[in-house]
Amino acid sequence: AQSVTQPDIHITVSEGASLELRCNYSYGATPYLFWYVQSPGQGLQLLLKYFSGDTLVQGIKGFEAEFKRSQSSFNLRKPSVHWSDAAEYFCAVGGSWGKLQFGAGTQVVVTP
Amino acid sequence: DVKVTQSSRYLVKRTGEKVFLECVQDMDHENMFWYRQDPGLGLRLIYFSYDVKMKEKGDIPEGYSVSREKKERFSLILESASTNQTSMYLCASSARQGGNQPQHFGDGTRLSIL
Repeated sequence: AQSVTQPDIHITVSEGASLELRCNYSYGATPYLFWYVQSPGQGLQLLLKYFSGDTLVQGIKGFEAEFKRSQSSFNLRKPSVHWSDAAEYFCAVGGSWGKLQFGAGTQVVVTP
Repeated sequence: DVKVTQSSRYLVKRTGEKVFLECVQDMDHENMFWYRQDPGLGLRLIYFSYDVKMKEKGDIPEGYSVSREKKERFSLILESASTNQTSMYLCASSARQGGNQPQHFGDGTRLSIL
């Protein structure tokens, strides 16, 4: 069965600094991978997705993620964070019937 | 853009009540999902549906049921609400049945059972 691990529960970053969120997955075949963001009191918004091809994928809001099969990782990055990036971030792997297996999430706090 | 609408943002009910949470999507998606979200546990799948009148149990179906009479609408039912069902409930939809389809989420219903 597939699983997703987000090792960092909480990350604090200064505005303008770079951000990297870690995601490790367990899946037997080529995974379909997603990153979502959830602002306070809102639903989840898709940031980016990986299915195949180029291992560096670009998403919305200036985010990118890199798929590394050898490390079973799909880490999310942003070169320079803005205060509006404060939110909770979820990594997910796609499975049968369109189901997604989510990680527990990483809460990002942005300080001035 | 896909629009997934949940009928209530906040709901307060009493233990033992039958509670209905409604979700409507406007993109003719085949798949619909109900999750609950609790701090530190991420999103856990309660039920999903891949077609009208079809339903499948997710990871935590106990105490819940669902109904999908029309393609665009997916209802979550708490048969007899209990305090441990106080949570944020999220509905989502996606196209077709492949694992490569992203899910689109509503804004959630924060349910409190007193």
